[in-house]
Amino acid sequence: QVTLKESGPALVKPTQTLTLTCTFSGFSLSTSGMRVSWIRQPPGKALEWLARIDWDDDKFYSTSLKTRLTISKDTSKNQVVLTMTNMDPVDTATYYCARSYGSWYSDFDYWGQGTLVTVSS
Amino acid sequence: NFMLAQPHSVSESPGKTVTISCTRSSGSIASNYVLWYQQRPGSSPTTVIYEDNQRPSGVPDRFSGSIDSSSNSASLTISGLKTEDEADYYCQSYDTSNWVFGGGTKLTVL
Repeated sequence: QVTLKESGPALVKPTQTLTLTCTFSGFSLSTSGMRVSWIRQPPGKALEWLARIDWDDDKFYSTSLKTRLTISKDTSKNQVVLTMTNMDPVDTATYYCARSYGSWYSDFDYWGQGTLVTVSS
Repeated sequence: NFMLAQPHSVSESPGKTVTISCTRSSGSIASNYVLWYQQRPGSSPTTVIYEDNQRPSGVPDRFSGSIDSSSNSASLTISGLKTEDEADYYCQSYDTSNWVFGGGTKLTVL
């Protein structure tokens, strides 16, 4: 059974750095073709893809946010970590991690429940 | 980077058919697969269409996907609408290193 769960602070102040952890089970990120992405959704708004890390440690970032994002993995702990620097109130959103497996264009077939992060002083 | 444009909302009656469009701003819609996700309130998204027109197991055949190169758009069609289909629907595609979601369409079944 594949599960993913996001964890991190519910509230961060403007200019702070956000660190989110995705802890998963039911698959290994060392398996060829396995990938984990971070996706966010501001309240009442659309989904926005942020970053992806692949089984071979390839990393991809949203063009608009790449200067603020870092994604990493700890295969032994079954975790993927996303850091986002210089947080702003517009970054208030539910942050999801999601798995994709197989082809470059495979769907996000399993999602975490999401974690709401509010940016406010 | 390209964008995917969707209508903000659509509504239709139970039993009818509705089509949601997704128009790619630049680059050919046919050059990269389009996927569709359903998101019910308070829940994470689930895939209803992948690779333009393929349904994951468990998704009823009332859901279908297509692409139209002449309008550079993709479409999600839901036939025999049920109240349980009421949700937000997002198209998604990609290029060499970016994954892009459309703005989402709220489907109301009334």
